[in-house]
This record gives sequence, structure tokens and C-alpha cells, in this order.
Amino acid sequence: EDKVVQSPLSLVVHEGDTVTLNCSYEVTNFRSLLWYKQEKKAPTFLFMLTSSGIEKKSGRLSSILDKKELFSILNITATQTGDSAVYLCAVPPNTGNQFYFGTGTSLTVIP
Amino acid sequence: EPEVTQTPSHQVTQMGQEVILRCVPISNHLYFYWYRQILGQKVEFLVSFYNNEISEKSEIFDDQFSVERPDGSNFTLKIRSTKLEDSAMYFCASSDLAEFTDTQYFGPGTRLTVL
Repeated sequence: EDKVVQSPLSLVVHEGDTVTLNCSYEVTNFRSLLWYKQEKKAPTFLFMLTSSGIEKKSGRLSSILDKKELFSILNITATQTGDSAVYLCAVPPNTGNQFYFGTGTSLTVIP
Repeated sequence: EPEVTQTPSHQVTQMGQEVILRCVPISNHLYFYWYRQILGQKVEFLVSFYNNEISEKSEIFDDQFSVERPDGSNFTLKIRSTKLEDSAMYFCASSDLAEFTDTQYFGPGTRLTVL
């Protein structure tokens, strides 16, 4: 059965800290891995990763994929209170368009 | 920027009643999805819909659930006889398969409370 596992489950940091969130997966015939940020309601798209070793960046957020070791990390530098959210990792299975979501990492940034 | 919309934002119903949750996907998207998230738990896939038919469904999506695209813009999820355990946030999502992207854009969700 395909699996997506995120760690840590929760994290509390101070503003200005750098955090690294992890997502490991076991999916046959991998196609892509996606990161979402979920605040109060719907997940909002952050990154889609398909190629190993190529970093994607958006402001203070960046993400990279390792297809050999089957994981991805999401980095947030100089964290702000607005970064407080649950960060979700999702991986589509070999066929079809459903996503398997991880349980998420709950990030709390304290002023 | 185009977005997925959902109505209502919150629905309260009695156990055994039928509910219809509505979604308007992004207009040029071809695939539509429903997910649910029980409070404190992870997002779970329910069903995907393409070309006016279900393309995939999970084991959660039993005979009590149905989906429909009644016109060119709306996408609905019907729960025929709600149970207490159906209480959850229900998210609609859509994707543009024409670009061969897996990115799904989520609506704001409908919180369903079954009493």
C-alpha cells in the first residue's frame, strides 16, 4: 500500500528560526510530490516536485526532492508568525488522479 | 486569479437527512475531486470525476455518496442519509489535466456537522 509519512508531527519555533519539514513516501512508479500549506481551511498549493536534486524556491520557502532515498524536505527560513500552519505533503499514486496526503506537520511560530 | 468556490461554508443537518454540497471548479479544468478531513485527521480522498463520470473512488465513497455535474459549472456531492461520522470538512478540488500537471487547486471547504 502506498504511504506518505511526514515528520515531525508538530514543531514550535521562534520568529526568525529556520525549519526543515520532512516527507517520505513509498509509492510505486513515482510521478510527483506536492507540498501544500493548510491554515484555517483549504490546502493551498506551494510546490510540485518531479525531478531529484532540483530545488524549488518561493521567497523564504524552498523544497527539494530525493528520488533515490524517497523523501522531500521543505525549508522555511526566517520564519514569521504568518508561517504558522499545517504543511501537507501529497503524492499521487501510479495511476489515477487521487492524492495520498501525509498527516501533516503543524508549525507554530511564536513572536 | 481563478479559484474553486464551495457552498455552503457550513451545513448543519440531522442524522439521516440528505445533504448536497456544491462546488464550482476552475472553469477550464477537466478533473474534479472531493476530499474530506475529519477534525484533527488527515485529508482523505473520496472521489475523482472526469468526462461526466467517476474515474476513481475510495472505500469511503460508498452507496450513500454520489457526485454529479448537473451543468457546465457546478459539481456536487450528495450524501443520502447522513451519519454522525460524516461530520467533517469537505473539500472540492480541480485540476487542469491538459497541462499534464498533478496540481490540484482546493476550494475553501464546507464544514458539515451531523447532529
